[in-house]
Amino acid sequence: DADVTQTPRNRITKTGKRIMLECSQTKGHDRMYWYRQDPGLGLRLIYYSFDVKDINKGEISDGYSVSRQAQAKFSLSLESAIPNQTALYFCATPVSRVNTGELFFGEGSRLTVL
Amino acid sequence: AQKITQTQPGMFVQEKEAVTLDCTYDTSDQSYGLFWYKQPSSGEMIFLIYQGSYDEQNATEGRYSLNFQKARKSANLVISASQLGDSAMYFCAMIPRGYDAGNMLTFGGGTRLMVKP
Repeated sequence: DADVTQTPRNRITKTGKRIMLECSQTKGHDRMYWYRQDPGLGLRLIYYSFDVKDINKGEISDGYSVSRQAQAKFSLSLESAIPNQTALYFCATPVSRVNTGELFFGEGSRLTVL
Repeated sequence: AQKITQTQPGMFVQEKEAVTLDCTYDTSDQSYGLFWYKQPSSGEMIFLIYQGSYDEQNATEGRYSLNFQKARKSANLVISASQLGDSAMYFCAMIPRGYDAGNMLTFGGGTRLMVKP
């Protein structure tokens, strides 16, 4: 099993629709992250969670919300999707409990908003 | 705040030759870590190499080495003996270490490397 699993892997939706991207991890870490990747901009942090009760906004949180249902699950929602939210989304969790900075990334969720 | 700059949007290299991917960073932190990740066309993010700001020697991992020049704030990735499988996007990233930043990596915009046979 993958350490970090994202669903769906690909999704096409229409403007104004609500969409949820789900992430689960088997590493047992408290920390989880959602990143967004756009061409030329690299990965930018949307939200991060230090534990179930600790959720924080990242660099580009506008238009997104998250839910940490359990230690292993961290979902990203777009309440009303718009075309400029078309991107590749990554969930991640630390490789080690020591703050090395290295992250396990999920395989990504490619979202297209028409 | 940290900023990572990768000035080469795309590069070509001949198979079996070495290639350097540039990365410069801006931070006021004295302690930090620098990373390189590879993203093949399949999309996953693969960790390549890590350099700590207080490490005296440049990091190496197989064919990958990190040319760390602290005074110039650069952390270039050197790939020796390029292979066709090295064709991918490469991202430079950093994390502050002076306080518990929660593993929040800041990424550069990436460089697309294409290896020619």
